[in-house]
Amino acid sequence: QVQLQESGPGLVKASETLSLTCTVSGGSISGYYWSWIRQPPGKGLEWIGYIYYTGSTNYNPSLKSRVTLSVDTSNNQFSLKLRSVTAADTAVYFCARHYWITTPFEYWGQGSLVIVSS
Amino acid sequence: QSVLTQPPSVSGAPGQGITISCTGNNSNIGAGYDVHWYQQLPGTAPKLLIYANNNRPSGVSDRFSGSKSGTSASLAITGLQAEDEADYYCQSSDSSLTWVFGGGTTLTVL
Repeated sequence: QVQLQESGPGLVKASETLSLTCTVSGGSISGYYWSWIRQPPGKGLEWIGYIYYTGSTNYNPSLKSRVTLSVDTSNNQFSLKLRSVTAADTAVYFCARHYWITTPFEYWGQGSLVIVSS
Repeated sequence: QSVLTQPPSVSGAPGQGITISCTGNNSNIGAGYDVHWYQQLPGTAPKLLIYANNNRPSGVSDRFSGSKSGTSASLAITGLQAEDEADYYCQSSDSSLTWVFGGGTTLTVL
C-alpha cells in the first residue's frame, strides 16, 4: 500500500523559507505526478503545484513566484520550498499522488501543520 | 475566493438525500475537464470519493454518486448516515493544466 509522509519544521519565521519533504513508501516515485496542497486552519484546499518524477513542474499562478518543487528519485522523496512566507501561509500542507496531470489525487499524506510566526 | 463555487453548507436528516453543487466556467469544467470529489473528515486528509465525474473508487458506498453538465457538477448522497458528516470538495483542471478546488461544503446530518 502506497503511503506518503510529510516532514519538516512546524514553525517558520515570517520572511523566511518554508521547506517540507514528502517521503513515499510502498511504491516508486517514478511514473507519477506528485502534488502539494495546503489548507489554512478552518478553510478550504488550495493546490500549490505538482512535479513529475522527471522533474517537470507546474505551479499555482498565485504562488508561482515563491514556490519551488524538486524530486529525489533515489530516496523516493519530493520537496516543497515556499519563500518569503507570511502569516497567510500558515496551513496544513498535504502531499499527494496522481497518475496523470488531470487524474485525481488517489493517495494523500496525513498533512503537516506549519505555523508562520512573526 | 475559490475558482469553483460550492454552497458553504448543506444539511439533511438521516435517511434523506442531499446534493452538493460545484459551479465552474468555460476554462475548467466547461472546457471538458473531469470533476473529482473528496470527502474530508475532521482532522484527516481528504479522501477520493468520486473520480472522473461519476465513478466511485473501490470501497466507496454506492450511496454516493456524481454528475456533470456544462460548467457544473453535482455530488449526490442518498440514505444519509451520521458518518457522512464531513467537508466535501470538488476539483477540476483548468486550461493551464493546473488544479482548482471548490471552497468546500460542510454536510451536517441532523
